[in-house]
Amino acid sequence: GQNIDQPTEMTATEGAIVQINCTYQTSGFNGLFWYQQHAGEAPTFLSYNVLDGLEEKGRFSSFLSRSKGYSYLLLKELQMKDSASYLCALPGGAGSYQLTFGKGTKLSVIP
Amino acid sequence: ETGVTQSPTHLIKTRGQQVTLRCSSQSGHNTVSWYQQALGQGPQFIFQYYREEENGRGNFPPRFSGLQFPNYSSELNVNALELDDSALYLCASSFKGANTGELFFGEGSRLTVL
Repeated sequence: GQNIDQPTEMTATEGAIVQINCTYQTSGFNGLFWYQQHAGEAPTFLSYNVLDGLEEKGRFSSFLSRSKGYSYLLLKELQMKDSASYLCALPGGAGSYQLTFGKGTKLSVIP
Repeated sequence: ETGVTQSPTHLIKTRGQQVTLRCSSQSGHNTVSWYQQALGQGPQFIFQYYREEENGRGNFPPRFSGLQFPNYSSELNVNALELDDSALYLCASSFKGANTGELFFGEGSRLTVL
């Protein structure tokens, strides 16, 4: 089985940096996804990590440690539009589109 | 490139009724998955279709069923609706064989069961 744990809510200030953590347990690791979901909208893909380390993509970076069952999403230079839920997800198998999602972390960016 | 579109966007049903939700996949995608997202929760996998056949199923009862058509569009049918079926139903398309398995989600159909 798979289990994912994320903080429920976080608040950060515009212009700051925030780190959203995700810890997971899985019997077979096939990568880890991060999705962003604005209220009332579809989830959109942010990142996919399969190897340990940090991957940077503009203001967003994602980190993975397979040995620790741990990932984080780092958001820099926060903007008001970054207020959203951030979902950590594991695929069910290699090439599987069956994702197990965490409950999501609702990030509120305040002025 | 046309994205994933779902219909209807909102609907209200009563307990015991049946509902059909529809999804048009993104152009070029051959795999469609359906997810149920309750308020304040992450999406939960219902099932996936590839080449018009069910290709994986989550922990949902048989009253949740689906179809995929030759043009890769899809339907989700739910029979004997229960109050707990109230949720946002998300359709996601993808291309089997893509490197990352990235899913492209539609905006969802919000179902309320009274």
